[in-house]
Amino acid sequence: GAVVSQHPSRVICKSGTSVKIECRSLDFQATTMFWYRQFPKKSLMLMATSNEGSKATYEQGVEKDKFLINHASLTLSTLTVTSAHPEDSSFYICSSSRALAGGLANEQFFGPGTRLTVL
Amino acid sequence: SQQGEEDPQALSIQEGENATMNCSYKTSINNLQWYRQNSGRGLVHLILIRSNEREKHSGRLRVTLDTSKKSSSLLITASRAADTASYFCATDADYKLSFGAGTTVTVRA
Repeated sequence: GAVVSQHPSRVICKSGTSVKIECRSLDFQATTMFWYRQFPKKSLMLMATSNEGSKATYEQGVEKDKFLINHASLTLSTLTVTSAHPEDSSFYICSSSRALAGGLANEQFFGPGTRLTVL
Repeated sequence: SQQGEEDPQALSIQEGENATMNCSYKTSINNLQWYRQNSGRGLVHLILIRSNEREKHSGRLRVTLDTSKKSSSLLITASRAADTASYFCATDADYKLSFGAGTTVTVRA
């Protein structure tokens, strides 16, 4: 499958600081990328859809001013957790999306995730 | 929003045995996908089954889909220790994925 990278893989920060996570689609240009959040032993929760050249679409309950998403190019989307608090500690996973043949579905390729710990 | 529910939540089997896990969902879907996640890692796509398909195979994996019951099952045959992981179903309704809670599978050597 296609390769998606995330950087950093782990980050520890102090409460009140901002943290930027990068997601790169290495094998293809992705007009759409997704950001998920996963709590320990829980499922992935979609946070937002990142669209190249336009504003991200956030899921209900996700604060857009708290989780800033920028999709500046077809291969890079960034998630910035602003004024981080301990409750923002989580595993953040991105994916890049590509249409399957026939156009009836998209295939998502997931990054390895970023473990954020806010002290 | 999360719409897939999976059972069992956890499964422990002996190497060589088969592992079966189920996923139920609530709304109409375009397709259903199964993923594997090793502890603390990203997701690996296993198989996609479209809404007009009933069964699909990939190696030791068999997936079924019953749209009338809004349910799917994943069967792993002849399990190996390396199959130890969490398995998630994900429904694709509007080109976004909604993930189930996952089944944690432990394969004992």
